Amino acid sequence: QAVLTQPSSLSASPGASASLTCTLRSGINAGTSTIYWYQQKPGSPPQYLLRYKSDSDKQQGSGVPSRFSGSKDASANAGILLISGLQSDDEADYYCMIWHSSIWVFGGGTKLTVL
Amino acid sequence: EVQLVESGGGLVQPGGSLRLSCVASGFTFSSYYLAWVRQAPGKGLEWVANIKQDGSGKNFVDSVKGRFTISRDNAQNSLYLQMNSLRAEDTALYYCARDVGGTLDIWGQGTMVTVSS
Repeated sequence: QAVLTQPSSLSASPGASASLTCTLRSGINAGTSTIYWYQQKPGSPPQYLLRYKSDSDKQQGSGVPSRFSGSKDASANAGILLISGLQSDDEADYYCMIWHSSIWVFGGGTKLTVL
Repeated sequence: EVQLVESGGGLVQPGGSLRLSCVASGFTFSSYYLAWVRQAPGKGLEWVANIKQDGSGKNFVDSVKGRFTISRDNAQNSLYLQMNSLRAEDTALYYCARDVGGTLDIWGQGTMVTVSS
């Protein structure tokens, strides 16, 4: 079982909100983990969006709009990237990442389509 | 301008070696962890390795342990990835990134490594 599992794709309409999930493997506690989120557009390197551990321990990337926010779903043992007011420019691949067993681990990524 | 520029990629046969370089500018190189992240064609991101500011601490993903070495030259603002015993599954675009405790905040454009006979 992968350390981090993300749905491979998600579609949403312009102006709507999209909730991208990152489920941690059983035995890895999402509640105590800091989850990092990256955005990657075709032909470009990834860009750091934000990190989220709790409402009191979080960081927004430089220049990242407040439309992008992080949260957790403890019952699902998952981190969530919420994108509100979707724009066509938000269409991209999104990756979560955590520190686990002395290395950084990425999720498989979610391709977000805005249509 | 803060930037990272990778070089050294190319076509190499299975079992061969390649050394990637990453030159930094616009920031105090010696103050930061640095990392290599790769992306196979059409696939997701895979963190490969990172190195502490003074080179004394290094971490590697299991799939490259014993084959890849990471090093840096702070006087030359340069990061390196020595890749030996290359396999087809090492084929990827290799990015270097500035690592601020997991916040990979600056990325290069990447250098492509193709392992094929």
